[in-house]
Amino acid sequence: DTEVTQTPKHLVMGMTNKKSLKCEQHMGHRAMYWYKQKAKKPPELMFVYSYEKLSINESVPSRFSPECPNSSLLNLHLHALQPEDSALYLCASSQDLGRRGLNQPQHFGDGTRLSIL
Amino acid sequence: SQQGEEDPQALSIQEGENATMNCSYKTSINNLQWYRQNSGRGLVHLILIRSNEREKHSGRLRVTLDTSKKSSSLLITASRAADTASYFCATGLNNAGNMLTFGGGTRLMVKP
Repeated sequence: DTEVTQTPKHLVMGMTNKKSLKCEQHMGHRAMYWYKQKAKKPPELMFVYSYEKLSINESVPSRFSPECPNSSLLNLHLHALQPEDSALYLCASSQDLGRRGLNQPQHFGDGTRLSIL
Repeated sequence: SQQGEEDPQALSIQEGENATMNCSYKTSINNLQWYRQNSGRGLVHLILIRSNEREKHSGRLRVTLDTSKKSSSLLITASRAADTASYFCATGLNNAGNMLTFGGGTRLMVKP
C-alpha cells in the first residue's frame, strides 16, 4: 500500500464542472508535488509545494489551481477543463526541497484517473 | 521537457532471463533514480545512485552510472512475471534540490 493517498481514484467531469483532487501523506514530508501523466508517457511536473508554500508552477494553465491547506494535505482544484486534460494525475511527496532534500526519493500516490467529457 | 532518454522503449523477455534498460541524460546531475510503475498505479521508487557512485545493488536490481557518458543502466536479474511494468529513470539536477526530470520509460513484459 502506498503511503501517499489520493482521492478519488477515478473522476469523470464535464468541461463546465468544478471538482477537486485530494492528496494526503503522513510521513512528515515537507515537499509535495503534482504531476500529470498521459498514457505511455512519463510524469510531467505541474506544481511543487515546499513548507506549504507554492515553490514551482511549471506554466500550468489557470484552470488548474493547487492548494496546500497544511503540511499533510495537497489539493488540486479543477475548473473549465478541456478534453486534452484527461490524464492520470499523480501526487508525490519527499522529505524536503533544496540542499536538505538532495538525494531523497519521491513517494507517489496511485493517482486520480481524470476523464473530461 | 525530458532530460533522459530510455532504451529500449519496450522489452519482452521470458521469466528467469535478465532485463537491461538504459538511460541517457544531458546535463550534470546530483543523482539518478529508477522508478517502477505498474499499470494504472503510481510510481514506486526502486533505487537511487548518487553522482559520485558507479554501481549500486538492491536485491535483484543492479544500477550503474557513468557520468562521463551521461548514462545509466538498470539490470533486473532472474526476472519474474511480477516484474512486468514500466520503468523510468529520473535525474535530480544540480542546484535543483529534489526536482526530478523523468525519462521516457521502458515497458517491460516478462512472460511466464
